[in-house]
Amino acid sequence: DAGVTQSPTHLIKTRGQQVTLRCSPKSGHDTVSWYQQALGQGPQFIFQYYEEEERQRGNFPDRFSGHQFPNYSSELNVNALLLGDSALYLCASSLGTGLPNEKLFFGSGTQLSVL
Amino acid sequence: GENVEQHPSTLSVQEGDSAVIKCTYSDSASNYFPWYKQELGKRPQLIIDIRSNVGEKKDQRIAVTLNKTAKHFSLHITETQPEDSAVYFCAASNAGNMLTFGGGTRLMVKP
Repeated sequence: DAGVTQSPTHLIKTRGQQVTLRCSPKSGHDTVSWYQQALGQGPQFIFQYYEEEERQRGNFPDRFSGHQFPNYSSELNVNALLLGDSALYLCASSLGTGLPNEKLFFGSGTQLSVL
Repeated sequence: GENVEQHPSTLSVQEGDSAVIKCTYSDSASNYFPWYKQELGKRPQLIIDIRSNVGEKKDQRIAVTLNKTAKHFSLHITETQPEDSAVYFCAASNAGNMLTFGGGTRLMVKP
């Protein structure tokens, strides 16, 4: 049973560029959430996708956008990269039964470095 | 919004001793409290969670307690082993799966 998979594992970009990160949820899961984890800090919620729509959003600017595909996989896009966007980007999947607080399972993340 | 504070930021114990990590939260509507373990360079892994209708939950050497009145919850690890060394995160949620995480505790278990 495949867990949550993310690609790429590492990425180096320069300021002003755009980046796309990808995530495949755990088998049987239909909800994908994205988190940003700066070095030495806890993950911060970016947004969540369910039924191909953004269901919840954290305190992140519009430069951060996403998409969910019919097969439940998801992409995170970040435009106009800033140095401060350097972080580990984690994808987490869960079962969107509509019940609150289903368990989240995390992928290994994409380490983004902005130079 | 929700704010989660976690203490201590680092904790060093001798193998076999117990370790306690404490978290406080601000939103009284929060009703789900998971704990994650993150080893260096690896994904956060859910180790235990508790819901607001339960005061305590145990799983082998790990236990979590919740005090809703005081808005704090704690992780207890007994008989610590070197492989327990990692960063531990507490989190809180009141709707959907939007988790607010604490800042993390680096636990070091000395053999």
